[in-house]
Amino acid sequence: KNQVEQSPQSLIILEGKNCTLQCNYTVSPFSNLRWYKQDTGRGPVSLTIMTFSENTKSNGRYTATLDADTKQSSLHITASQLSDSASYICVVRFRDNYGQNFVFGPGTRLSVLP
Amino acid sequence: GAVVSQHPSRVICKSGTSVKIECRSLDFQATTMFWYRQFPKQSLMLMATSNEGSKATYEQGVEKDKFLINHASLTLSTLTVTSAHPEDSSFYICSAMQGLAYNEQFFGPGTRLTVL
Repeated sequence: KNQVEQSPQSLIILEGKNCTLQCNYTVSPFSNLRWYKQDTGRGPVSLTIMTFSENTKSNGRYTATLDADTKQSSLHITASQLSDSASYICVVRFRDNYGQNFVFGPGTRLSVLP
Repeated sequence: GAVVSQHPSRVICKSGTSVKIECRSLDFQATTMFWYRQFPKQSLMLMATSNEGSKATYEQGVEKDKFLINHASLTLSTLTVTSAHPEDSSFYICSAMQGLAYNEQFFGPGTRLTVL
């Protein structure tokens, strides 16, 4: 069964600290993996997209990694800011006979405190 | 970048009434749109996939007669919650893609529905 798991479920850190969020998936055949940030009461916004051949990709203070062999991805946030408080959702895309589909992880709720 | 809007952003209605939510792609043509619902502290749950000019494909457990989806143009999809009940209260989010061959779906800001 295609599934995406994320850990931790929630995380509280102090402003300025770094943190790493994890995403494990069993989706196959893999197409790509995307990390989204969702502020409370808003729609998700894409942070990074990882394809099979990519190991690391950065977007400002966000760095995503992908290990396609172990089917794991991480999102590292550097020098956290109060505005980083949000839910971070890992979404994996796969192909099947009907086209391409998306599997959403449950998200990690990050709270950055002053 | 691609922008998707939703209207209204918030709606409160009485039980038994119908509510229509609009999803528009503002600067691109969206051949495919998705409708999600999200309960507090939970991730998005796909309700249905709609392709322009054809009937929507609903996920298992989603009542197509209750959640009517129309994707009449390449820039507009609507979700109508018919005979709404308090348990339909949720956050509804749409997303749009230029086509399944493209990698990114762009999300709308969401609509908060409260049924009294």
